[in-house]
Amino acid sequence: KQEVTQIPAALSVPEGENLVLNCSFTDSAIYNLQWFRQDPGKGLTSLLLIQSSQREQTSGRLNASLDKSSGRSTLYIAASQPGDSATYLCAVSGNFNKFYFGSGTKLNVKP
Amino acid sequence: SAVISQKPSRDICQRGTSLTIQCQVDSQVTMMFWYRQQPGQSLTLIATANQGSEATYESGFVIDKFPISRPNLTFSTLTVSNMSPEDSSIYLCSATDGGSGTEAFFGQGTRLTVV
Repeated sequence: KQEVTQIPAALSVPEGENLVLNCSFTDSAIYNLQWFRQDPGKGLTSLLLIQSSQREQTSGRLNASLDKSSGRSTLYIAASQPGDSATYLCAVSGNFNKFYFGSGTKLNVKP
Repeated sequence: SAVISQKPSRDICQRGTSLTIQCQVDSQVTMMFWYRQQPGQSLTLIATANQGSEATYESGFVIDKFPISRPNLTFSTLTVSNMSPEDSSIYLCSATDGGSGTEAFFGQGTRLTVV
């Protein structure tokens, strides 16, 4: 069974810092990896989608990398802002588009 | 991208009752799913909602407790039956359009509290 782990569980940084969130998964037979953002009490907002054949994707201040063979992904956030404060979830997809989620990294960016 | 609307956004229910959550997608999609997020936990897949046939449930979830309908390519419902406080969670609807490896979109979730 696919297991997804995210480290750290929580992170507090001052505004302007660059930061890295980590995600690992046990079964490398994935179709894609997706990073989401979840604000308190809200649903999920898709941030980046990396297909299994890709190494990285970028969107604005966000960059996500994927090393499928080693079962790892990182989400890099440049020049963090207080508005980035949220929980970040990593999910990998298997057969039939079923997604397996990590437990998330709760990020707090202090003004 | 697909926009997914869920109703209700939140509810407080008495134990022993049932609640039906609706999920509407703004375009036809291939697959729809229901996830549960228990307090402080991550998301767990409940089932895949199949159009015109019975849903496919994940281990630990059964049809009697979580009946699901999907009458067409844009709409699905999840019922939480005979509720207990342990069912207090956020329930999220998700959709993908295409084969394996396509992007997943999520509704804003339904926050259920059972008292």
